[in-house]
Amino acid sequence: ETGVTQSPTHLIKTRGQQVTLRCSSQSGHNTVSWYQQALGQGPQFIFQYYREEENGRGNFPPRFSGLQFPNYSSELNVNALELDDSALYLCASSFYGGALAFFGQGTRLTVV
Amino acid sequence: AQSVSQHNHHVILSEAASLELGCNYSYGGTVNLFWYVQYPGQHLQLLLKYFSGDPLVKGIKGFEAEFIKSKFSFNLRKPSVQWSDTAEYFCAVNGAGGGNKLTFGTGTQLKVEL
Repeated sequence: ETGVTQSPTHLIKTRGQQVTLRCSSQSGHNTVSWYQQALGQGPQFIFQYYREEENGRGNFPPRFSGLQFPNYSSELNVNALELDDSALYLCASSFYGGALAFFGQGTRLTVV
Repeated sequence: AQSVSQHNHHVILSEAASLELGCNYSYGGTVNLFWYVQYPGQHLQLLLKYFSGDPLVKGIKGFEAEFIKSKFSFNLRKPSVQWSDTAEYFCAVNGAGGGNKLTFGTGTQLKVEL
C-alpha cells in the first residue's frame, strides 16, 4: 500500500462528455503528478501540481486540466472526451523536488 | 527530450531461469533511474532506483540493476525468477532535480512458467 488513493476505480463515459478523476496523496506529500497509461504502453506524464499550481506539463492538449487543493489532493479533468482517451490514469505523489514517486492504483477510463 | 527504450516487450521464462531486461535511455544530463513493477491488478511499485554512487543497485525481491553510463543503460537482472515474478516491468528516468516527472519505457511483460 502506498497511501495514494484514486477514485473512481472504473468509469465509462461517452465521447464528447467531460470527466473528473480524483486523487488523495500520501500523507506529507505536497506534489501530485498525473499519468496516462494506454493499453500496451508505459505511463505518460500529463502534468504535475505543486502549491495548487501546475508545475510542468507533458504533451497533452489543454482539454486535460487539473486542480490541487490545500490538503494536496488533486483532480484531473478531461473535457470533450475522445475514444483515444480510454486508458488507465495514474496519480503519483511525492515531496516537491523529490525523485521518489508513489503511485495509486489508477482509474480505468473507457470512452465509448 | 528524454526517452526510454525497453527492447523486450514479452519475455517467457521457466522458474529458476535467470532474467535480464534491457533498458536504454536518452537524456542530456544527470539522471535518476528507476525500475517499477506492476503485478496483475495492482498499482505500480518501485522495484529499485539509482540516484548516484555504486552503479550496481539492489532492490526488493532479489532484483538488481546496473547503471552503465557509457552505454546509457540500466538493465534489470534476477539470478533465479519465481512464478510470482510474473508482472509488467517498466524502466523510467527523470532528470536529477526533475522531481516527479518520470519518462517511462513501454514496459516488458514477463511471464514465468512453472
